[in-house]
Amino acid sequence: DIQMTQSPSTLSASVGDRVTITCRASQSISSWLAWYQQKPGKAPKLLIYKASSLESGVPSRFSGSGSGTEFTLTISSLQPDDFATYYCQQYNSYSPLPFGQGTRLEIK
Amino acid sequence: QVTLRESGPALVKPTQTLTLTCTFSGFSLSTSGMCVSWIRQPPGKALEWLARIDWDDDKYYSTSLKTRLTISKDTSKNQVVLTMTNMDPVDTATYYCARSDSGWYDYWGQGTLVTVSS
Repeated sequence: DIQMTQSPSTLSASVGDRVTITCRASQSISSWLAWYQQKPGKAPKLLIYKASSLESGVPSRFSGSGSGTEFTLTISSLQPDDFATYYCQQYNSYSPLPFGQGTRLEIK
Repeated sequence: QVTLRESGPALVKPTQTLTLTCTFSGFSLSTSGMCVSWIRQPPGKALEWLARIDWDDDKYYSTSLKTRLTISKDTSKNQVVLTMTNMDPVDTATYYCARSDSGWYDYWGQGTLVTVSS
């Protein structure tokens, strides 16, 4: 089974900072990766699919890159609304463990 | 407009069977490539994928939970049902259903909190 590992688990940053979250797959998943944002008490929200395609309505400060086994989610200039938990998800092949363990982005 | 909504009991006792229903609108689960999955999240923890049912009735289950899970669909009612047997307090979580047609989950229900306690 493909396993997804995110780093860091927690990230402290300030409004205006540029931040990067990394997701690594245990084997190549080509570009079949999505990123989600989740706020407390809410369902996850799709941000990025196919590693770098921005979902409609998502601000352009969010971007995704990578292929194979290493991927990144970058927020170019943090806004107050961006403090949340972020998850990656692979969909290259069926796996019972498609999600990473999450990265909590907190205010410094 | 695509919507999904989970329904089921908020409280179940240990050893009981949980039945959750995902009622959706705005798409058809008979459309080629369409899938609905169940995903849960224990309080303060990460997302855990549970099961998926495809438009052609293929079914996939979490390796660790497959002996306890059954997923089914009623295309005419636009519903997907998940049953989980032998519930335990560690199964306390918010349970989500979500739609995918290309691998990623573009629409999610709001989630339903299920507490397992005697």
